[in-house]
Amino acid sequence: DQQVKQNSPSLSVQEGRISILNCDYTNSMFDYFLWYKKYPAEGPTFLISISSIKDKNEDGRFTVFLNKSAKHLSLHIVPSQPGDSAVYFCAASQMQGGSEKLVFGKGTKLTVNP
Amino acid sequence: DTGVSQDPRHKITKRGQNVTFRCDPISEHNRLYWYRQTLGQGPEFLTYFQNEAQLEKSRLLSDRFSAERPKGSFSTLEIQRTEQGDSAMYLCASSLARGGDTEAFFGQGTRLTVV
Repeated sequence: DQQVKQNSPSLSVQEGRISILNCDYTNSMFDYFLWYKKYPAEGPTFLISISSIKDKNEDGRFTVFLNKSAKHLSLHIVPSQPGDSAVYFCAASQMQGGSEKLVFGKGTKLTVNP
Repeated sequence: DTGVSQDPRHKITKRGQNVTFRCDPISEHNRLYWYRQTLGQGPEFLTYFQNEAQLEKSRLLSDRFSAERPKGSFSTLEIQRTEQGDSAMYLCASSLARGGDTEAFFGQGTRLTVV
């Protein structure tokens, strides 16, 4: 049972345009959400996070939006750069519930074309 | 380098052999996690420690798997009697618990191939 779902296995965008990566979750107890980027043969690299008490968090070119009623979050990358090409994982946890584990989606492979 | 360090990066072993992986977390981090990732999947939680105490274990962690963090610093993950289905990337991560939001930082992983 996939509690965190990334329904788009891949996404291709042009350099300079916006990349929007989507993530849905089913467990209403999740209260903390993160995005990680992964290059081949490397471990995931933390990008940005958001607590369930917020609906938006911004860090440079990266913005994460959270819609709790829809159990949906998205990562916006503006402007997209070729170096952003990687697999992006959405993850969620129940920080207040005392479970520290991250539950990951299957990832979305982003390709930014020059 | 002050990141999470894992050793070895790659391990090829014959079915039935035992293997042990090591993880050195970021030095001030009190939480340490083990995850496993197979092709086309996201990382799956195996277990985590706060200091030396193992606080949560996934049902994915069968009796053949054991993890330790004896002094609250580095950790080892041992797999006994390896099976081909154990072939995966084993990821270690660490974080600093500070009573609220906290992100986990991952190492580069140990890729295990069981032949």
